[in-house]
Amino acid sequence: NAGVMQNPRHLVRRRGQEARLRCSPMKGHSHVYWYRQLPEEGLKFMVYLQKENIIDESGMPKERFSAEFPKEGPSILRIQQVVRGDSAAYFCASSLARATGELFFGEGSRLTVL
Amino acid sequence: AQTVTQSQPEMSVQEAETVTLSCTYDTSESDYYLFWYKQPPSRQMILVIRQEAYKQQNATENRFSVNFQKAAKSFSLKISDSQLGDAAMYFCAYRQGSSGGGADGLTFGKGTHLIIQP
Repeated sequence: NAGVMQNPRHLVRRRGQEARLRCSPMKGHSHVYWYRQLPEEGLKFMVYLQKENIIDESGMPKERFSAEFPKEGPSILRIQQVVRGDSAAYFCASSLARATGELFFGEGSRLTVL
Repeated sequence: AQTVTQSQPEMSVQEAETVTLSCTYDTSESDYYLFWYKQPPSRQMILVIRQEAYKQQNATENRFSVNFQKAAKSFSLKISDSQLGDAAMYFCAYRQGSSGGGADGLTFGKGTHLIIQP
């Protein structure tokens, strides 16, 4: 049973470009979470999605960031017009249900903005 | 808002010895979960142990156990018989239970870097 798959593992973008990070949850999981980890920091919650719905985006920056989880295909975190401060590791996690409490994490995507 | 505090940026222990990592949290909720995650150099977050707030018994997973003090809002992790493979960043995390109406995400502490000395 494959775990949470994220790609790309590493992404380099120049300021002003767009970054797209993908996440395929564990098989059977319909709940996806995105987190951001800055250097020397813990993970910060960004957004929680179920299939086709954003449930909680309280941690998402108001501008340039968006997330989706379509009926078919992976969840995508999109960052438009990236700036150097967006450089971080972005982790995706999935869970079987909302109430179980246990999240399974992917290996993360490291975004570097030049 | 919930907060999680890990007051030890770094801890060092001799191989085969026991080490305790501290974590305190702040919440007004009664229904919640607490977790310890391990992040080795590969960066993947690996769940070490979880505790439901309604359970009085401390969770145990092999060499890992917790000391959950609900009144004190303390959730420390004890690693017995430390092994070289235990070296990693350890993050304490909080999640509100389903009966609450707040955020669904985990709230993480800033982490403790655990060094195992051979």
